[in-house]
Amino acid sequence: GAVVSQHPSWVICKSGTSVKIECRSLDFQATTMFWYRQFPKQSLMLMATSNEGSKATYEQGVEKDKFLINHASLTLSTLTVTSAHPEDSSFYICSAFLDRGGEQYFGPGTRLTVT
Amino acid sequence: KQEVTQIPAALSVPEGENLVLNCSFTDSAIYNLQWFRQDPGKGLTSLLLIQSSQREQTSGRLNASLDKSSGRSTLYIAASQPGDSATYLCAVPTQGGSEKLVFGKGTKLTVNP
Repeated sequence: GAVVSQHPSWVICKSGTSVKIECRSLDFQATTMFWYRQFPKQSLMLMATSNEGSKATYEQGVEKDKFLINHASLTLSTLTVTSAHPEDSSFYICSAFLDRGGEQYFGPGTRLTVT
Repeated sequence: KQEVTQIPAALSVPEGENLVLNCSFTDSAIYNLQWFRQDPGKGLTSLLLIQSSQREQTSGRLNASLDKSSGRSTLYIAASQPGDSATYLCAVPTQGGSEKLVFGKGTKLTVNP
């Protein structure tokens, strides 16, 4: 099946710094990727849609200036958490579709802890 | 607004038992429904995808059914094993044929040896 990877798998940073998370589709091209956030014991919440070659679209309540998304190629999307605060500590997961209307494949997630 | 509910929130069974996990959604105009498995601290593994035109899908010991008109899906696990212990999530598109998914909170399954 299709494989999506994320890097890093976990990261600890200090409050006020920025952190970049990478999402790669390893064996297929994805014009669209999605970024989700999961707080402990909660389900996944969609943050934004990453579109190759164009601006990301953000869900209501998600600050686009804080969560910068860049989809520079058909296999790579990056999420940068700027000026991170402890409340940004969460599990960030990306996903991509192999074919429109088909299964959505998820990355292994990135655990972000802001101290 | 599409909402997904999963019942029960947690389930503990002895090894070998057959079990059913339930998922319901408020907007029946879905394109498909997907069941996922999530192990602690890990990402999601896709288990089964059911298209709106299908009534069920099977993979090994897993069988998922879909009743679109009533807004329900069930995941049946036969002869459960300790390795099946995980959280099971169902997800549907936010609306119509959207690729954006709405997730339930999941059912945390524990299979005791």
